[in-house]
Amino acid sequence: SQQGEEDPQALSIQEGENATMNCSYKTSINNLQWYRQNSGRGLVHLILIRSNEREKHSGRLRVTLDTSKKSSSLLITASRAADTASYFCATDASGANNLFFGTGTRLTVIP
Amino acid sequence: DTGVSQNPRHKITKRGQNVTFRCDPISEHNRLYWYRQTLGQGPEFLTYFQNEAQLEKSRLLSDRFSAERPKGSFSTLEIQRTEQGDSAMYLCASSLDTGSNQPQHFGDGTRLSIL
Repeated sequence: SQQGEEDPQALSIQEGENATMNCSYKTSINNLQWYRQNSGRGLVHLILIRSNEREKHSGRLRVTLDTSKKSSSLLITASRAADTASYFCATDASGANNLFFGTGTRLTVIP
Repeated sequence: DTGVSQNPRHKITKRGQNVTFRCDPISEHNRLYWYRQTLGQGPEFLTYFQNEAQLEKSRLLSDRFSAERPKGSFSTLEIQRTEQGDSAMYLCASSLDTGSNQPQHFGDGTRLSIL
């Protein structure tokens, strides 16, 4: 079974709005990573947050991590049509970098 | 950096046949991973290599599956006696071996369809 679950499963917003996706996981982690996947393509790494970090920023992305609740959120600000993709959280529990992915959030940004 | 390359991109075969996929990682990456992804799901970990050593295998990797990385560079994933349930996207990723907290770089996958 997969480690995490994303919420919502699908999200549709207008261009310029912010998009928030949530991820919950089950076990202790070394780090949590967010990836993006366009249809029919491989995954692209977006951001990594370590277990001792609470918030991280990268461009229009903001990630939070709450290890007490075993949850994370990804915020994409000022969304663009090109942000349309599936977004996955992945946890590294062992430190060996074997990732366990959630089920993903399908984001659609309407121009 | 030419990225992770996977071949073929698509493979269609009849049930019972053997198939082999190839992955060429980013050249300086010591770690190589295989994942399987079915429609609407996230990738599921199958196995990973550090250089030529296969260090971990998931229970998803039945004895019909075998992976190799003979010289610590490219890797192959073979499925013998394919079954309908093997239809999926097979993804390869690589990363640096400088401890944990390294992002993985993915190829575009091989989509396997079993007739």
